[in-house]
Amino acid sequence: DAKTTQPNSMESNEEEPVHLPCNHSTISGTDYIHWYRQLPSQGPEYVIHGLTSNVNNRMASLAIAEDRKSSTLILHRATLRDAAVYYCILRAHTGANSKLTFGKGITLSVRP
Amino acid sequence: GAGVSQSPSNKVTEKGKDVELRCDPISGHTALYWYRQSLGQGLEFLIYFQGNSAPDKSGLPSDRFSAERTGGSVSTLTIQRTQQEDSAVYLCASSLPSLDTQYFGPGTRLTVL
Repeated sequence: DAKTTQPNSMESNEEEPVHLPCNHSTISGTDYIHWYRQLPSQGPEYVIHGLTSNVNNRMASLAIAEDRKSSTLILHRATLRDAAVYYCILRAHTGANSKLTFGKGITLSVRP
Repeated sequence: GAGVSQSPSNKVTEKGKDVELRCDPISGHTALYWYRQSLGQGLEFLIYFQGNSAPDKSGLPSDRFSAERTGGSVSTLTIQRTQQEDSAVYLCASSLPSLDTQYFGPGTRLTVL
């Protein structure tokens, strides 16, 4: 699986936007960029995914670089509940194996 | 609707004992996955079931680990002769067609003394 690189941690202030970067320079043409997050003592939850175009949903936005070698997850107004580990994952949408390969993720802390 | 459920939520066992962990996927989800998360480690894929196809067991760490899925629904992960290094949170996830969003359960925290 192609590898992603994320900073170890990031801090933000409540009600401010947060930009979480992810590098994936070895991404292949069939790889989708997925983001999951894991709140303390919970299982991971899906946040968003995209292929080439920027994506928006009720949780977040995903900005994908034109060359697809990096992407940024954007939380428009951070809340205390957004404190979690955020995982950027590349997932091929071809082939039989659809497991998620998690890295260490980025730990987001939100200050009141 | 109901999400993925797992039982028990916590399990403490003695080294050498066998344990069974249960996962109830979301109704209608044909794909089911097991992962584990050790203290300070990321999530590690264990096994994947898709419909009636042969499971992908490529992530199972040893032959002490096995899993089955009965009737295309409930799955049981069995660990035989548990070791202390098996202590971890075991997470189950399910999804619709195998490449769709995965929905995770709350996990079973296994502690091997």
